[in-house]
Amino acid sequence: GESVGLHLPTLSVQEGDNSIINCAYSNSASDYFIWYKQESGKGPQFIIDIRSNMDKRQGQRVTVLLNKTVKHLSLQIAATQPGDSAVYFCAETDPGTYKYIFGTGTRLKVLA
Amino acid sequence: EPEVTQTPSHQVTQMGQEVILRCVPISNHLYFYWYRQILGQKVEFLVSFYNNEISEKSEIFDDQFSVERPDGSNFTLKIRSTKLEDSAMYFCASGRGTSTDTQYFGPGTRLTVL
Repeated sequence: GESVGLHLPTLSVQEGDNSIINCAYSNSASDYFIWYKQESGKGPQFIIDIRSNMDKRQGQRVTVLLNKTVKHLSLQIAATQPGDSAVYFCAETDPGTYKYIFGTGTRLKVLA
Repeated sequence: EPEVTQTPSHQVTQMGQEVILRCVPISNHLYFYWYRQILGQKVEFLVSFYNNEISEKSEIFDDQFSVERPDGSNFTLKIRSTKLEDSAMYFCASGRGTSTDTQYFGPGTRLTVL
């Protein structure tokens, strides 16, 4: 079957520390992965994406790592700030279709 | 920066009534989507739309649902006879390309069915 799951429903980090949010996916044929941030009452906001022919991609303060061997995706946020507090979703695309398959989400809490 | 917009932000309706949720996708995008998120659950795909027709739909998207692009800017989701279990956040998204292109989401419409 197809599923995207998250290991930790809630992650609390101190301001300034690095955060790592993990995601497992089950469809080894998935070829595109995305991380979204969702603040309360708002829609998912694109953070970073990665294609299956890559294993790492960096953005501004964020890095996504893809390990296809174990079907694992992670989002690293450097120097976590209070504004990073939100729910983070990973999503994968089912090859040959148009839909995103979302995970259940991890809530990131940044402690002052 | 262009963004997807949705109206209304909150819709309250009685069970059995019809509702229309509206979206204005990003102007140069060609692919349009509806997703929903029941409170506390994951975001679920409903339907994708391209070239004035449905490209793909999920099993959630039954005969009670329909989508339309009535003009060059709006994209609508209609629920003909709402049920209590239709209460959710409904997100519109748009993208330039197919499944490996980024989809940008609107802020959502919260639908409450009483």
